[in-house]
Amino acid sequence: DQQVKQNSPSLSVQEGRISILNCDYTNSMFDYFLWYKKYPAEGPTFLISISSIKDKNEDGRFTVFLNKSAKHLSLHIVPSQPGDSAVYFCAASAGGNNRKLIWGLGTSLAVNP
Amino acid sequence: DAGVIQSPRHEVTEMGQEVTLRCKPISGHNSLFWYRQTMMRGLELLIYFNNNVPIDDSGMPEDRFSAKMPNASFSTLKIQPSEPRDSAVYFCASSFGLAVKQETQYFGPGTRLLVL
Repeated sequence: DQQVKQNSPSLSVQEGRISILNCDYTNSMFDYFLWYKKYPAEGPTFLISISSIKDKNEDGRFTVFLNKSAKHLSLHIVPSQPGDSAVYFCAASAGGNNRKLIWGLGTSLAVNP
Repeated sequence: DAGVIQSPRHEVTEMGQEVTLRCKPISGHNSLFWYRQTMMRGLELLIYFNNNVPIDDSGMPEDRFSAKMPNASFSTLKIQPSEPRDSAVYFCASSFGLAVKQETQYFGPGTRLLVL
């Protein structure tokens, strides 16, 4: 049973436009959320995170929005660049002493020049 | 810093053989994680260590899998005997943080395992 769901396996956008990647979760105990980016033949790299006490976190072109009531978060990339083409993973943690992250299956983003 | 180092990068073996994957975490990190990635199940946490002690091994699929962390700079994941369904990419990640604070995990490049 997937506790973290990324329902879009792939997304294609034009360079310069906004990319919106979505993530839904089912466990109300999750209190920390992360986005990772993965290029082929490499390990995932941390992109941005958000705590459940916030509803928005911004870092340059990347913004994560959290809607706790809907158990939904999204990653916005503005403007999108060809180098952003990668697989994006959403992950969640229930906090406390357990450092286990629960991962979505990923969304493959293609940014076309 | 060299980042998380994994070896080998690729491994092809025959069913029934023993496979050992190796990981060197980032110096100073106190937690180490072993993940398996497959198309069907995505990234699954197999086991993680904190200060060289296994904390959560609930993701280890079965007794054929074992992991050790003899010191802060080295860990192994062993599969014995290996089966074709073990074919996947295995990632090692490390992090540093306090007991109750989530921290960023840094991943190695992965080991692509193919069991024939």
